[in-house]
Amino acid sequence: EPEVTQTPSHQVTQMGQEVILRCVPISNHLYFYWYRQILGQKVEFLVSFYNNEISEKSEIFDDQFSVERPDGSNFTLKIRSTKLEDSAMYFCASSEATGNTGELFFGEGSRLTVL
Amino acid sequence: DQQVKQNSPSLSVQEGRISILNCDYTNSMFDYFLWYKKYPAEGPTFLISISSIKDKNEDGRFTVFLNKSAKHLSLHIVPSQPGDSAVYFCAADDIQGAQKLVFGQGTRLTINP
Repeated sequence: EPEVTQTPSHQVTQMGQEVILRCVPISNHLYFYWYRQILGQKVEFLVSFYNNEISEKSEIFDDQFSVERPDGSNFTLKIRSTKLEDSAMYFCASSEATGNTGELFFGEGSRLTVL
Repeated sequence: DQQVKQNSPSLSVQEGRISILNCDYTNSMFDYFLWYKKYPAEGPTFLISISSIKDKNEDGRFTVFLNKSAKHLSLHIVPSQPGDSAVYFCAADDIQGAQKLVFGQGTRLTINP
């Protein structure tokens, strides 16, 4: 069964450092997303991406965050200068379509710990 | 932000019985609702969805009911099996269908043998 894969599974970084989280979406999917879950809190939408540009982003997704699809398979989330409050589980997701017909498939998540 | 609320953090049900998980929402712009299941160290897995034009959707042991006037939905699992033990998230999408899902806090379901 096709799946979304994410690397690394866990990253520990110092505050102020740049972090890149990587995702390989399902190959025939066209829409890509990042969500995050801070420990003990809800899963929150960060950004959606289609046709090489951001479709939607939340208030959380400020100038410190960026996304990129550098090649035909990877989808990355970059945090330029990490803060303590960026510590969370980051989930990548992809879907074949959008709207009410597009089921989101999530990866297993990348846990980011900022010290 | 409490647009989607799951008021029960946990639920314990005996194997073979019915599990009922509840979810309330406040935003009337939501018109598509989903349930996701999450095991530890895994990402959320889609279970079942319902459009606001329906009041019920069934898929095997899983049924979702939507009461638009009450802004309430529920997930019924019958019969419950030990493998159903997981955290269940209710999520909602708005009319634009941008997949900008708003999640509830989750309910941890434990199925006891």
